[in-house]
Amino acid sequence: AQKVTQAQTEISVVEKEDVTLDCVYETRDTTYYLFWYKQPPSGELVFLIRRNSFDEQNEISGRYSWNFQKSTSSFNFTITASQVVDSAVYFCALISGNNRKLIWGLGTSLAVNP
Amino acid sequence: EAQVTQNPRYLITVTGKKLTVTCSQNMNHEYMSWYRQDPGLGLRQIYYSMNVEVTDKGDVPEGYKVSRKEKRNFPLILESPSPNQTSLYFCAAGQGLSALHFGNGTRLTVT
Repeated sequence: AQKVTQAQTEISVVEKEDVTLDCVYETRDTTYYLFWYKQPPSGELVFLIRRNSFDEQNEISGRYSWNFQKSTSSFNFTITASQVVDSAVYFCALISGNNRKLIWGLGTSLAVNP
Repeated sequence: EAQVTQNPRYLITVTGKKLTVTCSQNMNHEYMSWYRQDPGLGLRQIYYSMNVEVTDKGDVPEGYKVSRKEKRNFPLILESPSPNQTSLYFCAAGQGLSALHFGNGTRLTVT
């Protein structure tokens, strides 16, 4: 069975702190893709990153970085020097095998306080 | 600019009154899908379409219909809405295993 677990339901930090959002996935397929999406208070879903199962290189994009570890089936997301505008719900998701369906985690609500 | 456009953004209706939420994409993507988002339940797939005239049920299809007569449009139809269909709805489009691009959402309230 395929599953995505985001164990942290809510996180609250003070601006400029670093914060890591955890994502653990389950799949028996050897080919799969992992995603992170951001949902700000306005409600839209914003694509952040896609990673395939054959590429374990970590990715950095500005203050955002992602750590993909197949050994622990994790795809964690770190925001460095958080800002109030980072306040949002963040979703981790998985597509595996030939199934085009996204399997979603339940999301982590991040509050960055001034 | 790649866009998925949903309309309306907000809709309040009464039980049993048929409604349609429209979804249009300008990316010529083959794959389109509808999700609903509910507190504590996350995002759940309602229906999806792999291409024109090809649609299939997702996890929660009951009470919904879709059609895909042309590549760009994928409307969601509620023939007889009920209060348990009050939710935030998202349409998405994608190509192959690329990221799904989502519309801005439709917040539906059924009284």
